[in-house]
Amino acid sequence: EPEVTQTPSHQVTQMGQEVILRCVPISNHLYFYWYRQILGQKVEFLVSFYNNEISEKSEIFDDQFSVERPDGSNFTLKIRSTKLEDSAMYFCASSRQLWDTEAFFGQGTRLTVV
Amino acid sequence: QKEVEQNSGPLSVPEGAIASLNCTYSDRGSQSFFWYRQYSGKSPELIMFIYSNGDKEDGRFTAQLNKASQYVSLLIRDSQPSDSATYLCAVTAGNNRKLIWGLGTSLAVNP
Repeated sequence: EPEVTQTPSHQVTQMGQEVILRCVPISNHLYFYWYRQILGQKVEFLVSFYNNEISEKSEIFDDQFSVERPDGSNFTLKIRSTKLEDSAMYFCASSRQLWDTEAFFGQGTRLTVV
Repeated sequence: QKEVEQNSGPLSVPEGAIASLNCTYSDRGSQSFFWYRQYSGKSPELIMFIYSNGDKEDGRFTAQLNKASQYVSLLIRDSQPSDSATYLCAVTAGNNRKLIWGLGTSLAVNP
């Protein structure tokens, strides 16, 4: 069964460092998303991506964040100058089409900023 | 501020009983409604989605939507201990471009 794959599963980084979280969406999906979930809190939408550009972003997704699809398979989230409050689970998701927001999630990357 | 509200629980039911999970949302423009299951430390897993008023059944699960009341629910029949998890309600924002999530209801099914 096709699945969304995320790497690494756990990332520990020093405050102020840059991290790149990687995702391989399901191959025939066209829409890609990043969400995050701080421990004990709601899942929060960060950004959606379609046709090699951002289609929607939340107020959380400021200049500290960027996304890229560097090749035909990978979808990355870069977080610059990490802060303690960036510690969270980061989930990548993909879907076939926007109306059909039946998104399938990867297993997540647990980011810990120390 | 668009919101999705759920009773955080925990909701405790005996094995074999019906579990009823509820969710309200504030954005009248929301068009798609989803129930996800999340085990501790894991990613959300889609259980069901519903777009139209009324009931939608899939196996032991039934989703119910009432747009006039801005209310969506999930019924789990013949609950099993493996159903013990947090159930997340998510709805599309009015522009249909992102999901707004509830905090989730913790369900415990007791053998």
